[in-house]
Amino acid sequence: DAKTTQPTSMDCAEGRAANLPCNHSTISGNEYVYWYRQIHSQGPQYIIHGLKNNETNEMASLIITEDRKSSTLILPHATLRDTAVYYCIVRSLRGATNKLIFGTGTLLAVQP
Amino acid sequence: DGGITQSPKYLFRKEGQNVTLSCEQNLNHDAMYWYRQDPGQGLRLIYYSQIVNDFQKGDIAEGYSVSREKKESFPLTVTSAQKNPTAFYLCASSGQEYGYTFGSGTRLTVV
Repeated sequence: DAKTTQPTSMDCAEGRAANLPCNHSTISGNEYVYWYRQIHSQGPQYIIHGLKNNETNEMASLIITEDRKSSTLILPHATLRDTAVYYCIVRSLRGATNKLIFGTGTLLAVQP
Repeated sequence: DGGITQSPKYLFRKEGQNVTLSCEQNLNHDAMYWYRQDPGQGLRLIYYSQIVNDFQKGDIAEGYSVSREKKESFPLTVTSAQKNPTAFYLCASSGQEYGYTFGSGTRLTVV
């Protein structure tokens, strides 16, 4: 599975959009980009995933560059409850393992 | 509601004792996973199982053991061979495209 690079931490004002970047320059053609978040002392929560098209759901939007080497998770109107560690992961649905490999993620601090 | 249940939420162990962490899912997922998380760190894979009666070591399997006798259950035993077992343990399961569903975790402390 490809590795990802994320900033260690970011701040965002409450009510503003939070844009979390992720670099996955070694991603292969059959690997999806997944985003999870983990609020302190809880299990990670699935947010969104995509292959090459931009995706949107009730929680967030995912923008993937045309060359698929990077992506951005957008929380359109951040609230204090969005303060968490956000993990960007690439994963193939084929192959022997299907396992998720977590990096250290981005700690997003939403400020009032 | 479907989900994953981990128990207990908090667990204390004396040095030299084995302890077993429970993980049960009713999502009909084939694959199940155990991760360990240390303070300020990401998740590290201990063991995973893709089907009943089969499991593979992850990146940090030493000192741990698992079984997968039923699709719904994937218990993790932390043995006395694990030198630094104090950590937050997370169980997950997966179907296909929608990734993993995680339990709420068990915090193990050696006293």
